[in-house]
Amino acid sequence: KAGVTQTPRYLIKTRGQQVTLSCSPISGHRSVSWYQQTPGQGLQFLFEYFSETQRNKGNFPGRFSGRQFSNSRSEMNVSTLELGDSALYLCASSLQGGPQETQYFGPGTRLLVL
Amino acid sequence: GQQLNQSPQSMFIQEGEDVSMNCTSSSIFNTWLWYKQDPGEGPVLLIALYKAGELTSNGRLTAQFGITRKDSFLNISASIPSDVGIYFCAGWASGNTPLVFGKGTRLSVIA
Repeated sequence: KAGVTQTPRYLIKTRGQQVTLSCSPISGHRSVSWYQQTPGQGLQFLFEYFSETQRNKGNFPGRFSGRQFSNSRSEMNVSTLELGDSALYLCASSLQGGPQETQYFGPGTRLLVL
Repeated sequence: GQQLNQSPQSMFIQEGEDVSMNCTSSSIFNTWLWYKQDPGEGPVLLIALYKAGELTSNGRLTAQFGITRKDSFLNISASIPSDVGIYFCAGWASGNTPLVFGKGTRLSVIA
């Protein structure tokens, strides 16, 4: 079974631009969560999608948004990029979401904002 | 918001030594998880703990869910070079709250 895939793996943008990252969950998984990882703040939860609906949201500004498609693939978008948005963005999938299930992480998309 | 305090931040140990790291919180968590992250990869789940007091092993790894529900520890016995990486604790307070991560323990093993 293929794991969680994320595209692109690396991205360089400039301040003010916007970016879209993609995540394909493991086949059959309907829950997709997104995390931002930085050296200073560690792994921070962005949002979770289940059956095309945002089910939970972390403490990030509205510039960060996401969506999920009917095939469970998910995208996250960051508008008006700031230098501080440079980070590794990870997505994780699980069957239904929730604390009793294992979340499987993708390799991440490393975003550099110049 | 909820935070997990993970220590130590980094460790340098000799191959064959045992390692211990822990995670504490000011609030109660109902699930504790331990992940390992290798360079260029996403975190991989090592051990999941669902009951206070639970002690679970996975090979050379042993983790415990603290009886107060506010802490957890991970032990690695007889470390080997491939144990190198960053270890994260994570916790769920409840089903409606997001997973919260500690800031990680960077482990280096000297052969």
